[in-house]
Amino acid sequence: GDSVTQMEGPVTLSEEAFLTINCTYTATGYPSLFWYVQYPGEGLQLLLKATKADDKGSNKGFEATYRKETTSFHLEKGSVQVSDSAVYFCALSGGYGGATNKLIFGTGTLLAVQP
Amino acid sequence: EAGVVQSPRYKIIEKKQPVAFWCNPISGHNTLYWYRQNLGQGPELLIRYENEEAVDDSQLPKDRFSAERLKGVDSTLKIQPAELGDSAVYLCASSPRPGQGSWNEQFFGPGTRLTVL
Repeated sequence: GDSVTQMEGPVTLSEEAFLTINCTYTATGYPSLFWYVQYPGEGLQLLLKATKADDKGSNKGFEATYRKETTSFHLEKGSVQVSDSAVYFCALSGGYGGATNKLIFGTGTLLAVQP
Repeated sequence: EAGVVQSPRYKIIEKKQPVAFWCNPISGHNTLYWYRQNLGQGPELLIRYENEEAVDDSQLPKDRFSAERLKGVDSTLKIQPAELGDSAVYLCASSPRPGQGSWNEQFFGPGTRLTVL
């Protein structure tokens, strides 16, 4: 079945450092890809998404490009802030022939940014 | 626009006791989801509703879990009896109808953290 694999954390960075969180997926069909963020004590919030190959999702300085050839959707940010400390989840939906609505998540990556 | 509302936020019960979680989705969203998030893991879908119909409950442990969405708006997820392994965060999410704005996005509530002693 469909699955998502993301790098294990925690990832600890200093403020203004460059961030990469790796995410690869396995899916049939043409899934949509997502990054969700979960701040302490809060629910998941959609950070960015991409719905087809070569699309780039971006939001709040974060970016991820849908790479079908490498089945990847790595999350990047050029300069992290302490306020970016959270758990980041990569997810996909719609792997089966484009059917939507079932999100499959990776295990999450904890990011800790130190001042 | 109000977000997805869940209650309670926290619940502590002893094993074998029943427990129920409530969810109010974003107004106008016809699709509602219940997920379970174990510690250190990503959420896993338990059940999905389209209006009042459960269209995907393949991951719901039906021997002890039940859910309902009687009028196609609010939903309740119940566990009876609870087991130690049910300790987790239970998340509710909703999404708009296909064709509406953000139709392929899911909007999550804050979750209910259940602890079974």
